[in-house]
Formats: sequence, C-alpha cells, structure tokens
Amino acid sequence: GAGVSQSPSNKVTEKGKDVELRCDPISGHTALYWYRQSLGQGLEFLIYFQGNSAPDKSGLPSDRFSAERTGGSVSTLTIQRTQQEDSAVYLCASSPWLGNTIYFGEGSWLTVV
Amino acid sequence: KQEVTQIPAALSVPEGENLVLNCSFTDSAIYNLQWFRQDPGKGLTSLLLIQSSQREQTSGRLNASLDKSSGRSTLYIAASQPGDSATYLCAVMLSGNTPLVFGKGTRLSVIA
Repeated sequence: GAGVSQSPSNKVTEKGKDVELRCDPISGHTALYWYRQSLGQGLEFLIYFQGNSAPDKSGLPSDRFSAERTGGSVSTLTIQRTQQEDSAVYLCASSPWLGNTIYFGEGSWLTVV
Repeated sequence: KQEVTQIPAALSVPEGENLVLNCSFTDSAIYNLQWFRQDPGKGLTSLLLIQSSQREQTSGRLNASLDKSSGRSTLYIAASQPGDSATYLCAVMLSGNTPLVFGKGTRLSVIA
C-alpha cells in the first residue's frame, strides 16, 4: 500500500491478556516510530527504530511493553498483562530517515475491559 | 526536557476568516518543527516541515513560520473553510536521531 498500515484497527481485550499490534511502514522507510495517544492527552513517544541500529526504547512506560522490527520492515508492539490504563490509540509512523517528514498510520484503538 | 505548548486549546471561527495557531517550545536548539492535522478518529497528516535553518514554509493556504530564538512557531491559515476543521498539532525534533515531541494540539472549528 501507499501509506502506513496498522492492524487491528480496533481491539477490545480483557484485563490481564496480552495483545500484539502490527505496523507495516511505507516501503523503503528506514525509521519507524510508535506513539500512544490517550483520550484528551497529547502524543506520547514509546519507541523508534532506525535501520539496523539499536532501537530507542526510552519512552516505553513499563517492562510490559516491548516492540520488535523484523527485517527492517514490519514492526510489532506487544503489551503483556494489559491494564485498563493501557487503553489508548497506538499510532505507528515511518519516515525515509530520521529527521524527515513523518507519515502516520490510522492507529490501533485498544480498549482494555 | 523539551516541552511544547499550543495555544489556544480550541478555536471557533466563521468561514472565510484568516487565523493563526500558536506553538511554543522550551529548548530553542531544535532540528526541525512539523505541523500536523488530525481529523477525529484518524491518524495524523503532515502539513509542513520547517528545518532549523528555515524561517517559514508555505503550502497552499497554509504558512508556517519559525522563530527559534524565541521558541515559537505559528501556523497561518488563510480564508478558512469548514473542511479545515480538525485538530492541529505542532511537534519539534531536537536532533536528527531523537523522536518528535508533540504539543496537545489546537482543536479548530470553522463554522459555515
């Protein structure tokens, strides 16, 4: 596709379950970002990947959160033992390289009940 | 720690008005600044990117300016239309290998 693709678009899960969110960036983009947007809040940085460099995980809120990027393309954000405060929209973005224009996906809406 | 503030939080204007959205940031040593638009229930769409060496960027009815020394940027929208109604977010990057830091946005309503 032409844009950043995220799946699922909506996910309702029970507290304590694990969830995986997927991001397929624009082809050829070396930088990939994950952000979280909670109701009424700004965008909170979680993690970014740049090529083969070690990812910047400084924004991950707890060790329940992890992310990987396979083959420099698709990324998966995993949240273990979900809590109600994890309910948010998880946005993925990519750019040709760090410092360039960033293109966002439509987001994955996560609701933990 | 870089902080980005956007004022006002919400703005309602009649169609046809010119308007200005404000963004301020605490650390003036930025790499670039970007303005985004977010429609309800959607992701973000990049509008304009201003590199630290630039003073302004224009795209159609949009003009963004950057004053690094004062830590400010403005987004000027000319001849506003109802289709411009959305939340506008400002974000700054401190260096080429740091993530964007976002403001909380200005929710704009253009009334026909």
